[in-house]
Amino acid sequence: GAVVSQHPSRVICKSGTSVKIECRSLDFQATTMFWYRQFPKQSLMLMATSNEGSKATYEQGVEKDKFLINHASLTLSTLTVTSAHPEDSSFYICSARDQGGMGFVSNQPQHFGDGTRLSIL
Amino acid sequence: AQSVTQLDSHVSVSEGTPVLLRCNYSSSYSPSLFWYVQHPNKGLQLLLKYTSAATLVKGINGFEAEFKKSETSFHLTKPSAHMSDAAEYFCVVSDFTSGTYKYIFGTGTRLKVLA
Repeated sequence: GAVVSQHPSRVICKSGTSVKIECRSLDFQATTMFWYRQFPKQSLMLMATSNEGSKATYEQGVEKDKFLINHASLTLSTLTVTSAHPEDSSFYICSARDQGGMGFVSNQPQHFGDGTRLSIL
Repeated sequence: AQSVTQLDSHVSVSEGTPVLLRCNYSSSYSPSLFWYVQHPNKGLQLLLKYTSAATLVKGINGFEAEFKKSETSFHLTKPSAHMSDAAEYFCVVSDFTSGTYKYIFGTGTRLKVLA
């Protein structure tokens, strides 16, 4: 259980292209999803918190006009990297928290997708 | 604010020997702590979580961790390492900030298993 599917797994595109990444919770509902960025040999950096039916909350320093997040349903959040440039090349990972789990929200683990390797030429 | 510190960036063990990955936390209240594993070019897989029900937590793939409040530690152990355990391991604490619970990640420990 608690499977999160992320697509595509890898994208290679030209500078200036916009790229959309999908994150789906397959067997649970997630009112909250998270988008992370991971640089080589580093830990994950939270970019934004995606809330179903409302605007995403972005972390300090993350450009919301560059990284558009949509969370239109309880099982799907999307991240669109607009007008991507080489410096946007990275490994992007989404996660979803199972709101139906027992106990406190703080105890509910996040379940992660397999990530998207984005390479901008 | 809460935080976690992973004391070793790299750990090497021989196959069949015990694994110890160290994590210390800083928290003003009873924390929710997690250990995740990440294989190359993959997302993170939950190994186990501590939620104050029991101090010794058993996870998947033979891993376990013990919550020690007096030492503010949550070290991950496994009795016998397998080649497939080679990966990056993250200690995580759940922190309430900006109206929701977010993860605070440690810097990670890369586990190498020698044949």
